[in-house]
Amino acid sequence: SQKIEQNSEALNIQEGKTATLTCNYTNYSPAYLQWYRQDPGRGPVFLLLIRENEKEKRKERLKVTFDTTLKQSLFHITASQPADSATYLCALDQGGSYIPTFGRGTSLIVHP
Amino acid sequence: GAVVSQHPSRVICKSGTSVKIECRSLDFQATTMFWYRQFPKKSLMLMATSNEGSKATYEQGVEKDKFLINHASLTLSTLTVTSAHPEDSSFYICSAPSSGFLSSYNEQFFGPGTRLTVL
Repeated sequence: SQKIEQNSEALNIQEGKTATLTCNYTNYSPAYLQWYRQDPGRGPVFLLLIRENEKEKRKERLKVTFDTTLKQSLFHITASQPADSATYLCALDQGGSYIPTFGRGTSLIVHP
Repeated sequence: GAVVSQHPSRVICKSGTSVKIECRSLDFQATTMFWYRQFPKKSLMLMATSNEGSKATYEQGVEKDKFLINHASLTLSTLTVTSAHPEDSSFYICSAPSSGFLSSYNEQFFGPGTRLTVL
């Protein structure tokens, strides 16, 4: 079965720096890969989706890359702010009416 | 974007009682909704897929008689935890696909979650 690996250790960075979070997966490459943000005690919020034939996707200060050879997606937040502190989840979607599978998420802490 | 609400946001109950959690899609119709539970610092665990007009599909290891799901309308799904015990204490979250039904790809719109504490 598909296994999703996200760094369980929190990522601590200084305000203004670029945060980079990693999502690795085993087995088959998903048709789509999604990133979500989750704040404590809240449900996840969708951020970005990237297709398997796309190398990179951007949205404001966010950038996602998708390398099917490495079986990895990187999630970048440029010019990070304390308000970006949250847990970020990646989710793999096989497409074709399959339900996305979520990783456990990585906690990001941006220090002022 | 689409909005999904959950009620209640927090519930504390005694062991042995039943608790009902509602999940509503506020500005779109959803023939499919999903129920997850999440333990601290753990990933979302899919419990079941709620289907409007038909029986829910449960994931392996989830007791369907304990976690009753009813998809009463195109905007409402309910999860009832029957005879709750302390080990059922968790964060329960529902979601609905952005298209309202499961199609080729679906970003998920999540509810705010329900924190259940069973004493």
